[in-house]
Amino acid sequence: QSALTQPASVSGSPGQSITISCTGTSSDIGNFKYVSWYQQHPGKVPKLMIYNVSDRPSGVSNRFSGSKSGSTASLTISGLQAEDEADYYCNSFATSRTWVFGGGTKLTVL
Amino acid sequence: EVQLVESGGGLVQPGGSLRLSCSASGFTFSNYAMHWVRQAPGKGLEYVSAISRDGDKTYYPDSLKGRFTISRDNSKNTLYLQMSSLRGDDTALYYCVPQKDLGRWGDYWGQGTLVTVYS
Repeated sequence: QSALTQPASVSGSPGQSITISCTGTSSDIGNFKYVSWYQQHPGKVPKLMIYNVSDRPSGVSNRFSGSKSGSTASLTISGLQAEDEADYYCNSFATSRTWVFGGGTKLTVL
Repeated sequence: EVQLVESGGGLVQPGGSLRLSCSASGFTFSNYAMHWVRQAPGKGLEYVSAISRDGDKTYYPDSLKGRFTISRDNSKNTLYLQMSSLRGDDTALYYCVPQKDLGRWGDYWGQGTLVTVYS
């Protein structure tokens, strides 16, 4: 099971929107609706932001949204805020019945 | 309040073994599948293993099969990870994570236990 592919870094200015992509294969993202996104600030544990491709846990801002097309999932953050600066990881269920993470994307708010 | 307390980490030489534990409280442990996820210093998250609610099914990525064994004791609300033939690239912070539904997990994380493999 190879790791999902994410850009190493993305950046945006406050108020802008950014999108982080997560590319997998037909063995994971392309075959299941079980894609999640996690936010991790330095020194903190990961926080679940999106599950089932586009569902948001209660308490997560509606500025965060998820989608999927084929074998690529995406996390979009609108109205970028300084507090959004963090690492973001995607995760998908796979045909091997295990899960696979992306390599992570560092979001910088300029 | 959900609490997950990992323990058992420490310093170990290459080729050695360690058994990690995760003590869970604040939820009905036996109703949740459980995962181990690790994070090497300064690196990303890596999936380690999962176990079904009653412990009869276990899952590992191919890269870890044969060296790691996940288990649980629902009477003690405790999850375990037996690690053997440890290597330098096993050095990481190991987290236990509960899963209630197939598509959703990661609402709760412990603080992790650090495993350092040194020579």
